[in-house]
Amino acid sequence: DAGITQSPRHKVTETGTPVTLRCHQTENHRYMYWYRQDPGHGLRLIHYSYGVKDTDKGEVSDGYSVSRSKTEDFLLTLESATSSQTSVYFCAIKGLAGVTDTQYFGPGTRLTVL
Amino acid sequence: EDQVTQSPEALRLQEGESSSLNCSYTVSGLRGLFWYRQDPGKGPEFLFTLYSAGEEKEKERLKATLTKKESFLHITAPKPEDSATYLCAVQARGGSQGNLIFGKGTKLSVKP
Repeated sequence: DAGITQSPRHKVTETGTPVTLRCHQTENHRYMYWYRQDPGHGLRLIHYSYGVKDTDKGEVSDGYSVSRSKTEDFLLTLESATSSQTSVYFCAIKGLAGVTDTQYFGPGTRLTVL
Repeated sequence: EDQVTQSPEALRLQEGESSSLNCSYTVSGLRGLFWYRQDPGKGPEFLFTLYSAGEEKEKERLKATLTKKESFLHITAPKPEDSATYLCAVQARGGSQGNLIFGKGTKLSVKP
């Protein structure tokens, strides 16, 4: 168990509404990542953070924003959800002791946008 | 462009029938190759990290190997509980902040 929780675990929302997903870690790690997973695609990076208030875009960042005001929390926001953002979202952290390059994943959030 | 291709997309084995999963990659300098296991409805679970050609790692019935162009995940005498989707990912040397590029996965089914 890498000490990562995601909330909510499931959410159904309507097109045009804002949505925020939360990733919480208990391991005090510097790097945190948000991915989405869709059928026919591998995991794709949305945004990542390399420290408090330090974030950058990944491969599929359009329509998403992130914030990290505390080491332990990394928030992913969909400002105005669209049906194309229906997906499973995973948070990951990097850098458990002794295995500095490996990313460890949370349990995921299944988001459905109607 | 950095790319990861996994084959086959799906593999059905009988219990005890050994086989291999393939992960081919093109990357501008490999920093590391990672294998994960993913069960339905769960997040990927870390299995192995490989850093250089010729490296091998084992865990129970699984053995991962690495060459300059591909990696294999060998499954010896699989059991039904080995059924899962296996994901391969690479990290490029010099890639920003350790970002990973994932393949689409191989779905393994092991029948008793």
